[in-house]
Amino acid sequence: KAGVTQTPRYLIKTRGQQVTLSCSPISGHRSVSWYQQTPGQGLQFLFEYFSETQRNKGNFPGRFSGRQFSNSRSEMNVSTLELGDSALYLCASSLVQASSGNTIYFGEGSWLTVV
Amino acid sequence: LAKTTQPISMDSYEGQEVNITCSHNNIATNDYITWYQQFPSQGPRFIIQGYKTKVTNEVASLFIPADRKSSTLSLPRVSLSDTAVYYCLVGGPNYGQNFVFGPGTRLSVLP
Repeated sequence: KAGVTQTPRYLIKTRGQQVTLSCSPISGHRSVSWYQQTPGQGLQFLFEYFSETQRNKGNFPGRFSGRQFSNSRSEMNVSTLELGDSALYLCASSLVQASSGNTIYFGEGSWLTVV
Repeated sequence: LAKTTQPISMDSYEGQEVNITCSHNNIATNDYITWYQQFPSQGPRFIIQGYKTKVTNEVASLFIPADRKSSTLSLPRVSLSDTAVYYCLVGGPNYGQNFVFGPGTRLSVLP
């Protein structure tokens, strides 16, 4: 069974630009959640989607947004990029909503560098 | 919100058993305890999950006392490739904003 797939793996953007990251969950998994990981702040929860609806959201500004499609694939978007947005963005999927104690499985992440 | 506390770092030698303890004093009745392993530049990898008592799989064991206020991940006979950051995560229904990762434990396995 294929794991969680994230694209692109690496990208460089300029301040002020916007970026879209993509995530394909494990087949059959309907919940997708996103995390930001930086050396200073560690792993931080961004948001979670289930059945195309955002179910939970972390404490991030509105520049961070996401969506989920009917096939459970998800995208996250960051607008007006700032230097501090440079991070590893991780996507995870689970069989049901992550809000149930079910195990979440992470992708390899997308490395974003903002210059 | 079940906050977790783990040692920041640990050192061990190849072939030894390593035990990493996580404290979660505010664990809720319906919370599970899950451990993840993360190598540099990779996403965290699920190791083991439990609710109470003891759980064992092919790579680790998880010990949870009756009060569930702590848990211990046990890695038998570690090798150099077990050098990684290990995260303890506590959560159940209504994850999401409660899905808080601590700083993890950086395990260094020495030859």
